[in-house]
Amino acid sequence: AQSVTQPDIHITVSEGASLELRCNYSYGATPYLFWYVQSPGQGLQLLLKYFSGDTLVQGIKGFEAEFKRSQSSFNLRKPSVHWSDAAEYFCAVGAGHAGNMLTFGGGTRLMVKP
Amino acid sequence: DAGVIQSPRHEVTEMGQEVTLRCKPISGHNSLFWYRQTMMRGLELLIYFNNNVPIDDSGMPEDRFSAKMPNASFSTLKIQPSEPRDSAVYFCASSLGQGISEQYFGPGTRLTVT
Repeated sequence: AQSVTQPDIHITVSEGASLELRCNYSYGATPYLFWYVQSPGQGLQLLLKYFSGDTLVQGIKGFEAEFKRSQSSFNLRKPSVHWSDAAEYFCAVGAGHAGNMLTFGGGTRLMVKP
Repeated sequence: DAGVIQSPRHEVTEMGQEVTLRCKPISGHNSLFWYRQTMMRGLELLIYFNNNVPIDDSGMPEDRFSAKMPNASFSTLKIQPSEPRDSAVYFCASSLGQGISEQYFGPGTRLTVT
């Protein structure tokens, strides 16, 4: 079965600094990969997804992620963080044999210092 | 598009009472998912439906939990009897298509069982 690991439970960055959130997955074939963001008291919102093709994908709010098969990773990046980016971020993987189901990582809580 | 609609947004009930959570998926979507989110266990998939049929309910904690989808525009998650350990945020999500695709989440129902 597929699994997702987000090694960092909490990350704090200064406003304007760059950001990288780590995501590692376990799956034998090419996975379908997603990043979601959850603001306090809200549901999860899709930031970006990777299904195939270009391994660098662009998402909303200035985020991007890069699929690296050799490292089984799908890290999320943003060149300059804004205070409004403070939220919890979830990486998820879908596998064809599992139907429509997604497996979510444990999440990384991002705090932004002024 | 109204997005996924969940009701109620907050529910406070006493142990032993029956609780019913409701979800209206995005019109045209054919898959529906129920998740539970807690600090201890993160985001857990409880059950998912495809074309109104339950496909995987292996995440349902025990017989006290049941879910139905009588038609394409409505689903319920029922807990009877409720227990304090059921306190969590319950999310409903929907997606379109037969294979892996992005899931759209509702705002969640915060359940507190006293």
